[in-house]
Amino acid sequence: AQTVTQSQPEMSVQEAETVTLSCTYDTSESDYYLFWYKQPPSRQMILVIRQEAYKQQNATENRFSVNFQKAAKSFSLKISDSQLGDAAMYFCAYRELISNFGNEKLTFGTGTRLTIIP
Amino acid sequence: DAGVIQSPRHEVTEMGQEVTLRCKPISGHDYLFWYRQTMMRGLELLIYFNNNVPIDDSGMPEDRFSAKMPNASFSTLKIQPSEPRDSAVYFCASSLRTASRSETQYFGPGTRLLVL
Repeated sequence: AQTVTQSQPEMSVQEAETVTLSCTYDTSESDYYLFWYKQPPSRQMILVIRQEAYKQQNATENRFSVNFQKAAKSFSLKISDSQLGDAAMYFCAYRELISNFGNEKLTFGTGTRLTIIP
Repeated sequence: DAGVIQSPRHEVTEMGQEVTLRCKPISGHDYLFWYRQTMMRGLELLIYFNNNVPIDDSGMPEDRFSAKMPNASFSTLKIQPSEPRDSAVYFCASSLRTASRSETQYFGPGTRLLVL
């Protein structure tokens, strides 16, 4: 079974600095999706960034980028120029690539609570 | 687009009562998911539908839980009878399958359920 591990329950960063959140996963599949979701105090789950395993290039979305190391099964999130609005729980998630009706299930890590220090 | 809509946003009920949570997926999406989030268990998938048909309900905790999707724009998650351990935030999410790949799941705002 696939598992997702986030080993940092809490992280903090000074405003305008850079922070990296760690995620590792376990799978026997060769193609799959990885995601980072953000959950602010409002509890809304917001997609931050997505990576397809067959793509070698790391995904980027403005100040957010990932370091995808397929062989190491590592998928870390880097937030540059941290802002107060980045304070939230961040969840790493894994999903298999579908085939026919495949497995659509998202497997989530336990989350990392990010605090931004003004 | 309005995004995934869930109602109610908050629900407080007494043990033994029936609870119905509602979800309207993003228009055109063909997958719908129900998740539950608790401190102890984190985020866990309860059930998901494709084109209104339940595909995987292995995450439904017990017979007290049931989910339906009578049409492409509406789904319900029902708990009967409710118990205090059902207290959690329940999320609905939807996604669209394009060609041979499925796209990102978009989440609703969640329903915070408290069973006293």
